[in-house]
Amino acid sequence: SQQGEEDPQALSIQEGENATMNCSYKTSINNLQWYRQNSGRGLVHLILIRSNEREKHSGRLRVTLDTSKKSSSLLITASRAADTASYFCATDKGAQKLVFGQGTRLTINP
Amino acid sequence: NAGVTQTPKFQVLKTGQSMTLQCAQDMNHEYMSWYRQDPGMGLRLIHYSVGAGITDQGEVPNGYNVSRSTTEDFPLRLLSAAPSQTSVYFCASCSPTGGIYGYTFGSGTRLTVV
Repeated sequence: SQQGEEDPQALSIQEGENATMNCSYKTSINNLQWYRQNSGRGLVHLILIRSNEREKHSGRLRVTLDTSKKSSSLLITASRAADTASYFCATDKGAQKLVFGQGTRLTINP
Repeated sequence: NAGVTQTPKFQVLKTGQSMTLQCAQDMNHEYMSWYRQDPGMGLRLIHYSVGAGITDQGEVPNGYNVSRSTTEDFPLRLLSAAPSQTSVYFCASCSPTGGIYGYTFGSGTRLTVV
């Protein structure tokens, strides 16, 4: 069974708009990570947020974590065509055993 | 650095055949894992290792074996291929020092079992 569930499953927006993806999980975690996967490629690590952190930024990415609600969100600001990809959250309960959600497929329209 | 290298990139097997998917990393990472990804789904953990000589089962280990004789290599063996093992397989590695950089993934092996 998968720990994370992502919402929405698919998201289509215009270039320049912001994109928000959500992730919910079921049990306590050490950290939560977000990955990007371009079509037919491997996953690329985007950002990691620890269980004692509430918000983290990296360039155009903003991640929030609410451990009381067992949820996280990924915000991509000022989207670009190159941001078109699938985005996965992954929870780490220890020993780096990541459990992935099913992903959000993001399409940026020019 | 090459990162995580997986071979082959594509493979077609007949039901019942065995094969080994190779994975090598040159980052001196202690942690390595194998995942499979089925269409429209996230990744599911098959086996993982926290260091040379140490392996453990993940979520979907049946039908697969692993070994970790060196830090660099973590091969995945399919014992008797079945159509249900048709999938894309990803190997990944990570440093255990807080894991702040997350996992580095290989580019995947696309396996079809007929």
